[in-house]
Amino acid sequence: KNQVEQSPQSLIILEGKNCTLQCNYTVSPFSNLRWYKQDTGRGPVSLTIMTFSENTKSNGRYTATLDADTKQSSLHITASQLSDSASYICVVSADGNDYKLSFGAGTTVTVRA
Amino acid sequence: DAGITQSPRHKVTETGTPVTLRCHQTENHRYMYWYRQDPGHGLRLIHYSYGVKDTDKGEVSDGYSVSRSKTEDFLLTLESATSSQTSVYFCAISEILAGGPFETDTQYFGPGTRLTVL
Repeated sequence: KNQVEQSPQSLIILEGKNCTLQCNYTVSPFSNLRWYKQDTGRGPVSLTIMTFSENTKSNGRYTATLDADTKQSSLHITASQLSDSASYICVVSADGNDYKLSFGAGTTVTVRA
Repeated sequence: DAGITQSPRHKVTETGTPVTLRCHQTENHRYMYWYRQDPGHGLRLIHYSYGVKDTDKGEVSDGYSVSRSKTEDFLLTLESATSSQTSVYFCAISEILAGGPFETDTQYFGPGTRLTVL
């Protein structure tokens, strides 16, 4: 069973609207959590990284939150743009194994004009 | 794509043939990785390298081998390709952070290689 579960699997939103993606994980002991954006036909690109002591981090219109107690994270996209259409991947690393990551299957976001 | 190139970008081959994919980096990063990405699955680690000639297996290493003779190059070989190895393969690199709260920096990914095994 995957140790990182993401929801929803996909969503469609109108340009200018906000959306929130969810990530639940069971990886333990926890070291850090990252969100990646993957455009179609490209490799993933890092958006944010949070350690257990951080509960929010922003990168432009992207804001990630982390609740290490409930093992949940969310990625909020504000004022979506057509270029936000991509797959968003939640990635968790276990303490002491930062180079071995657990990847979620991703949420595919489609932004429509 | 952070100074990472993969070749070829697309390949179609037949079952039973050997295939080698190449990853080349210009960042001089110590760690290099090979992943495969399949629909409905997260990226899965095949093999990784923590230095020249130092490699280790990931979670889906069966049927794959790797070699790293230079810092900048990491080769993935499918010894005898099977249809189940049809996938998109990504190379990634990372570096150790000195004094950071975690051991390695963010992994940076290459553009991917789409492999089809008929």
